[in-house]
Amino acid sequence: DAGITQSPRHKVTETGTPVTLRCHQTENHRYMYWYRQDPGHGLRLIHYSYGVKDTDKGEVSDGYSVSRSKTEDFLLTLESATSSQTSVYFCAISESINYGYTFGSGTRLTVV
Amino acid sequence: TQLLEQSPQFLSIQEGENLTVYCNSSSVFSSLQWYRQEPGEGPVLLVTVVTGGEVKKLKRLTFQFGDARKDSSLHITAAQPGDTGLYLCAGAGNQFYFGTGTSLTVIP
Repeated sequence: DAGITQSPRHKVTETGTPVTLRCHQTENHRYMYWYRQDPGHGLRLIHYSYGVKDTDKGEVSDGYSVSRSKTEDFLLTLESATSSQTSVYFCAISESINYGYTFGSGTRLTVV
Repeated sequence: TQLLEQSPQFLSIQEGENLTVYCNSSSVFSSLQWYRQEPGEGPVLLVTVVTGGEVKKLKRLTFQFGDARKDSSLHITAAQPGDTGLYLCAGAGNQFYFGTGTSLTVIP
């Protein structure tokens, strides 16, 4: 019954390789977000989208890009993965900017 | 920049005890939310508080938003093992800012 799914759930990649994480929603929510969660730092916003092809940067956007060509899909790309990007990545959706978020189950990414 | 400080960072209590966790900031937020996260899963929204001084109850959980809308507290009465998890607060500004969380363990 999940209205939001992330893929893959786990990934190990090598330094310097590109990586794309996918977030898919079935709720038709306007807003989609990508966060990373690290010990001691909590959840930090990477990028967000407020509509198809409308995206903006969060506080930790360096080294990441996003795309949203359809309402239901929001892709996060690491252009050239680095070890500092080893993290758990969460996608979230919301009806409006200050509405409660629904989070996906996360992607655990390890860059070796 | 970490705008929200949560305390305590870790809390381990016996089943049946009461507890309070705090979320503090020097910034004013238009609303504040509390989430609970279990290992291997994403955070799940518990409550949203909007008005300064607002108190919301969700079964054994009581949430309060400070009068100045800079802080909040979560009180759990008669904690149960199922309450174990990471509790996160998030304040709404031009985006949502998350605290680093309080990790709660309830021992049976």
